[in-house]
Amino acid sequence: QQQVKQSPQSLIVQKGGISIINCAYENTAFDYFPWYQQFPGKGPALLIAIRPDVSEKKEGRFTISFNKSAKQFSLHIMDSQPGDSATYFCAASQAGTALIFGKGTTLSVSS
Amino acid sequence: GAVVSQHPSWVICKSGTSVKIECRSLDFQATTMFWYRQFPKQSLMLMATSNEGSKATYEQGVEKDKFLINHASLTLSTLTVTSAHPEDSSFYICSARSASSTPTGKLFFGSGTQLSVL
Repeated sequence: QQQVKQSPQSLIVQKGGISIINCAYENTAFDYFPWYQQFPGKGPALLIAIRPDVSEKKEGRFTISFNKSAKQFSLHIMDSQPGDSATYFCAASQAGTALIFGKGTTLSVSS
Repeated sequence: GAVVSQHPSWVICKSGTSVKIECRSLDFQATTMFWYRQFPKQSLMLMATSNEGSKATYEQGVEKDKFLINHASLTLSTLTVTSAHPEDSSFYICSARSASSTPTGKLFFGSGTQLSVL
């Protein structure tokens, strides 16, 4: 049972474009929704996170949009740069328990 | 931000030997630590949850006798892969949660350990 479904699996965006990655969840008890960035051979690094009482959160070029009724949330990367090329994971957790991760999206930003 | 140090970053061992991976929270007390495993081009899969001073809780399908987890202090957890075999080769990542994490649920990740069993 996949509790967090992430799409697309891979994404190619031109430099300066907007990268959009989507996630859907099933467990309505989830109360924490982070996005992580991971480079090869490294641990995941927290990019931005949101709680279900907020519909949008922006930090620099990164924005999370959250739709509680649809049980979906998305990551938008504005002005995408080649240095953003990495694998991105959405995740969710409930009451401080372990994070459940999506399958990941490999983003390639072409220059 | 809070720092989680994981060592070693990579290890190569012979089949049948045991390997210990350490995970330390450097500037906070980690009441709970989580161990994940990641195969190439795949997601992070939770292996076990450990709370300081108590036995770890393993996810379904994870052999507790093969993957020994010890969380003896609020700043250190160890994962020992016993009698390692080539199929245990993977990227192992620890994460820690502080009792004062805001928001609740925020995890701090180590840099991972790449295990290669020959």
